[in-house]
Amino acid sequence: KAGVTQTPRYLIKTRGQQVTLSCSPISGHRSVSWYQQTPGQGLQFLFEYFSETQRNKGNFPGRFSGRQFSNSRSEMNVSTLELGDSALYLCASSLGQEAFFGQGTRLTVV
Amino acid sequence: GESVGLHLPTLSVQEGDNSIINCAYSNSASDYFIWYKQESGKGPQFIIDIRSNMDKRQGQRVTVLLNKTVKHLSLQIAATQPGDSAVYFCADHHRAGTALIFGKGTTLSVSS
Repeated sequence: KAGVTQTPRYLIKTRGQQVTLSCSPISGHRSVSWYQQTPGQGLQFLFEYFSETQRNKGNFPGRFSGRQFSNSRSEMNVSTLELGDSALYLCASSLGQEAFFGQGTRLTVV
Repeated sequence: GESVGLHLPTLSVQEGDNSIINCAYSNSASDYFIWYKQESGKGPQFIIDIRSNMDKRQGQRVTVLLNKTVKHLSLQIAATQPGDSAVYFCADHHRAGTALIFGKGTTLSVSS
């Protein structure tokens, strides 16, 4: 079966712009979580969605937001981009407790 | 606070050796732990998990040990192969739901 698909794989944006990242979970998985990965901070939890509702939220500013659609696909949005937002953004989908990760979207802010 | 961390950022071993990667956690209420492997350019891949009511769990060439007394867990890889070279993360399940709290990671380098 197809794995978790994240698009795009790479993005370059300018400071102040906004960006939307997309995640298609494994078919049948209703839970989608987002993580930010940087060399300095490692993997940090952003938020988790289940059945279109945000179930948990990490410690990130309000510039980071997300949503989940009825087909379980999820998007995350970052507004007013800062240089420090450059990172690998990972999406994971779950049916039970085991999380399956996509390959991530590499965002570079210049 | 709630945190899951690793003892060493890097570990270098020879092919065929056994590898041990360690992780300390601070939240005594944590009840579920997972080890992930991340290869370059890929997302984390599930290796093995363990619940707090267990001390040891074995998979194919991997064993996870949990010591709740000192809040420590370890990942043992038997007969390490070059394909095991990657970054290894321990993670703790969030209190509610399936969100994961990750440690910083240990980079395992296997030389032939």
